[in-house]
Amino acid sequence: GQQLNQSPQSMFIQEGEDVSMNCTSSSIFNTWLWYKQDPGEGPVLLIALYKAGELTSNGRLTAQFGITRKDSFLNISASIPSDVGIYFCAGAGGTSYGKLTFGQGTILTVHP
Amino acid sequence: DGGITQSPKYLFRKEGQNVTLSCEQNLNHDAMYWYRQDPGQGLRLIYYSQIVNDFQKGDIAEGYSVSREKKESFPLTVTSAQKNPTAFYLCASRKDRASNQPQHFGDGTRLSIL
Repeated sequence: GQQLNQSPQSMFIQEGEDVSMNCTSSSIFNTWLWYKQDPGEGPVLLIALYKAGELTSNGRLTAQFGITRKDSFLNISASIPSDVGIYFCAGAGGTSYGKLTFGQGTILTVHP
Repeated sequence: DGGITQSPKYLFRKEGQNVTLSCEQNLNHDAMYWYRQDPGQGLRLIYYSQIVNDFQKGDIAEGYSVSREKKESFPLTVTSAQKNPTAFYLCASRKDRASNQPQHFGDGTRLSIL
């Protein structure tokens, strides 16, 4: 099946630092989604991207849908301790009937 | 509150036993999904259903079964044929199977072997 390569696998940062993570695909997607998962809970949607080149913000989070449709990135500015968790990218193709392909996740640790 | 409810939160299975995980949604969503999550890996699709009385295999359906008799319910049975069932199982739903609406997730069930 399709593969999403998400990097980095983990990040250890100081509170207040900015964070950047990205996903690349060998296939084209029509939708890119970014989720955050806290321990023992389900993923929560952070940002949804539907158009190539689209840049969308949600508070301190900014995500972009790559112009080639094969990549996306997520930035977090001025990180805080509650940003700790696992961040997943997910892509959906035009004929996949909503089926998502997930990246492996980026584990974020924020030191106070 | 509207949402997706998974139960139980924790489940233990004995050798040779089938167990069923519950997923209920009151969002009036058409499509529902089951994923398996293992440590250090992304979510992998087990089964999905786009409409009542219809479901399709995902990428790792072997050893699992589902039913979709009601719009709001999509139970997953982990059968004894699934030799490595220990994982975190997540249910998701989305409003319209043909749109780009994102999936929303329940809080998961953690299944362990006794």
